[in-house]
This record gives sequence, C-alpha cells and structure tokens, in this order.
Amino acid sequence: AQSVTQPDIHITVSEGASLELRCNYSYGATPYLFWYVQSPGQGLQLLLKYFSGDTLVQGIKGFEAEFKRSQSSFNLRKPSVHWSDAAEYFCAEEGRIKAAGNKLTFGGGTRVLVKP
Amino acid sequence: NAGVTQTPKFQVLKTGQSMTLQCAQDMNHEYMSWYRQDPGMGLRLIHYSVGAGITDQGEVPNGYNVSRSTTEDFPLRLLSAAPSQTSVYFCASSYLRGGLLFEQYFGPGTRLTVT
Repeated sequence: AQSVTQPDIHITVSEGASLELRCNYSYGATPYLFWYVQSPGQGLQLLLKYFSGDTLVQGIKGFEAEFKRSQSSFNLRKPSVHWSDAAEYFCAEEGRIKAAGNKLTFGGGTRVLVKP
Repeated sequence: NAGVTQTPKFQVLKTGQSMTLQCAQDMNHEYMSWYRQDPGMGLRLIHYSVGAGITDQGEVPNGYNVSRSTTEDFPLRLLSAAPSQTSVYFCASSYLRGGLLFEQYFGPGTRLTVT
C-alpha cells in the first residue's frame, strides 16, 4: 500500500537558521510528489511539486526540495528560516486508487516552531 | 476568484444528527475531493469526484455521502454523526492533466465536533 513517512513530528529551529524536513515515499517508480504548508487554522497551500525532470525543485517562499530515487526521499529545505515559516508541513504522493481515480497520500506532518 | 469555499467553519453536532458540509469552487476544476484531518495522521481521502455526476469512495468513506450535480459544488453529507467523525474537514479541487492532479487547492476547513 502507498505510504508517505515524515519521521519528525516536531522541529524547532532558530530564526535565520537552515531548515530541512524529511519525507520518504514508498510507492511508484515514477512518483509524483508534493509539499504543502498549513498555517494555524488555515487550509493547505502548495509549496512545490515534483513530476519529472530536474531532481531539485524550487517552490514558493524560498523553499526547495530534492528528489532522491535511491533513497525514496523528497526532503524540503530552506536556507534561512523566518518567523512566518512556523507552520505544519505535509509531504504527499499522488497515486491511483482505482482505474479512473487519483488521490494524494499524505504524511503525518511535521510541525515547525521558530525561535526568535 | 474566491477559490475553494467551505461552510460552515465550525459545527457541533449530537450523536445521531445529520448535516451537510458545503464546498464550492469557481475555478472550473474537474476534480474535487473531501479529506479529513486528524492529529498525527495527515489528511485522509473520504470521497472524490472527477466530474459532474461522477463520484467514488476514497480511503475512509463509511458514514459519509457525496453528490456532484454541478462542476462547482461538492457537498459532503454525514448521515448519522458519531464521535469518531470529530475532525477537521477539508475540501479540495484540481485540474486534471493527463489524468494527474495538477495542483490541489484547499478550502479553509470545517471543524466538526460530535458529542
């Protein structure tokens, strides 16, 4: 069965420091992968997506992610964190659930706290 | 564009009551879906639709019904609410490109409590 794992439930980082969030997927020779961010009380916003091509993907808000097939990973990074980056981050993989239907399988999320 | 809108934002139900969560999008997206979000479990797909008149079950469909009579609207019905349905519900919509979900846009969510 398709599964997405985010090993870190919480991460605390100082403002200005770098951030890396881990994601491992389990399905598909050609995965379609996404990172979403959820601010408190809000819906999810897409940060970036990987469908094919260059394994380093640039997203919004200064985020990037690197796809590594050998490690089944799609880790999210930001070189310098701002206080406004405090949120919960979700990794997701697209897969088929039936012949005519697709869905996203989400990881459990990583909550990021930013210290001043 | 309003994007994806959901009503209500908050709802408290008693066990056994029924209600409908409303979802609408103004982006002419073919694909619409409902997820529930529970702590530590990410989002799980309840039902989805690939076009008006076409719906299908996701991972956790029991206790929920959907219909899609128009492209814009995708209501979720709780038939007989149970405490296990206490959750935050998100509606999402997307274009389909070559059968793939191009980018899902999420609504702001409905926080439901069943007592």
